[in-house]
Amino acid sequence: EVQLVQSGAEVKKPGESLRVSCKGSGYSFTNYWISWVRQMPGKGLEWMGRIDPTDSYTNYSPSFQGHVTISADKSISTAYLQWSSLKASDTAMYYCARRTGTSNEDYWGQGTLVTVSS
Amino acid sequence: DIQLTQSPSSLSASVGDRVTIPCRASQNISTYVNWYQQKPGKAPNLLIYRASTLQSGAPSRFSGSGSGTDFTLTISTLQPEDFATYYCQQGYNVPLTFGGGTKVEIK
Repeated sequence: EVQLVQSGAEVKKPGESLRVSCKGSGYSFTNYWISWVRQMPGKGLEWMGRIDPTDSYTNYSPSFQGHVTISADKSISTAYLQWSSLKASDTAMYYCARRTGTSNEDYWGQGTLVTVSS
Repeated sequence: DIQLTQSPSSLSASVGDRVTIPCRASQNISTYVNWYQQKPGKAPNLLIYRASTLQSGAPSRFSGSGSGTDFTLTISTLQPEDFATYYCQQGYNVPLTFGGGTKVEIK
């Protein structure tokens, strides 16, 4: 069974750093890209970027380029989304998803809620 | 970036209704459109990919159509479990983008 399991909810202060994880299982991790998607409270879905776990090649949305870093460790089938300096506006649910060769996200993680508040 | 417009942002319907949800792209994206269903507190769920292909496990009452700039998700006979928000997504090029969503509410 394909699964993407994300790390748990986080509460952070502005300026702090954070890394959330997404562990894949039930499939060959290097055969599929991983996308990250943000959903701010009460709002829609925003694609942040994606990574090829084979070589860690990444694409970012211009809206998120420079503010987050997407990485992966194929040896442990895990992708990461990290911030070096959080802002209150980063408060959101973050999802990872498996990207297929038919240009869609077919399996999703359960989401990681990040709350940034002083 | 390619913009996807979903209008209306919400609609009211009754169980048993036929529901159509439109999505318009800002440029020609061939058939590179996917449709997702999201229920409150849950991750999105892929229903349709490449405009008209039903994802494995998705109910057959869901169908998709369109090409170029205009796309439609149709629910043939609305069921109680279908009350949710529906998003279109373009997979034509990076950055991938989603429409703003259409919430299907109970009339």
